[in-house]
Amino acid sequence: GQNIDQPTEMTATEGAIVQINCTYQTSGFNGLFWYQQHAGEAPTFLSYNVLDGLEEKGRFSSFLSRSKGYSYLLLKELQMKDSASYLCAVRDRRAAGNKLTFGGGTRVLVKP
Amino acid sequence: IAGITQAPTSQILAAGRRMTLRCTQDMRHNAMYWYRQDLGLGLRLIHYSNTAGTTGKGEVPDGYSVSRANTDDFPLTLASAVPSQTSVYFCASSPGPAQSTGELFFGEGSRLTVL
Repeated sequence: GQNIDQPTEMTATEGAIVQINCTYQTSGFNGLFWYQQHAGEAPTFLSYNVLDGLEEKGRFSSFLSRSKGYSYLLLKELQMKDSASYLCAVRDRRAAGNKLTFGGGTRVLVKP
Repeated sequence: IAGITQAPTSQILAAGRRMTLRCTQDMRHNAMYWYRQDLGLGLRLIHYSNTAGTTGKGEVPDGYSVSRANTDDFPLTLASAVPSQTSVYFCASSPGPAQSTGELFFGEGSRLTVL
């Protein structure tokens, strides 16, 4: 099975930086995904890491350490529209259907 | 571009009734999934299909069934709804790891309340 842990909620100020951590345990790691989900909407894909290191996409970056079972999503220059839940998900090659397992999500509140 | 469409958007249902949530995608993706999302529990996989004609069980399959007669459609049926099935249901599709990173594309969700 898989355990995925991420904080429940974080608060940050507009223009600041927030780092959302995700730890996981899986027997056949085959990729880690971050999704953004605004309240009442569908999750949308943000980033994908399968090798160790940092992937940068504009204001958002995602980091992976496979040996530590650890990832973080970094949101820079926060904007009010970044208030949303951020979901960490892990793919396990040994899981039926090569499926993704999701963490509970981190709700980020950006304040003026 | 429609992407992935779910229906109904919202439904209130009496316990014991049968209900089918519809999901259609026009991206010709091979893999399709049904998740339910509950507060504090995140997204949990109910059933999946790697390709037309095949289906498999996820983490929480009890009380649900699916079919995959063709590539585009993946309906989810609750044979006899119970209050614990009150949730938001998301359908998702993926081209499959061989074609991409394997990211999921989600529908807008179906909010189901069982009374």
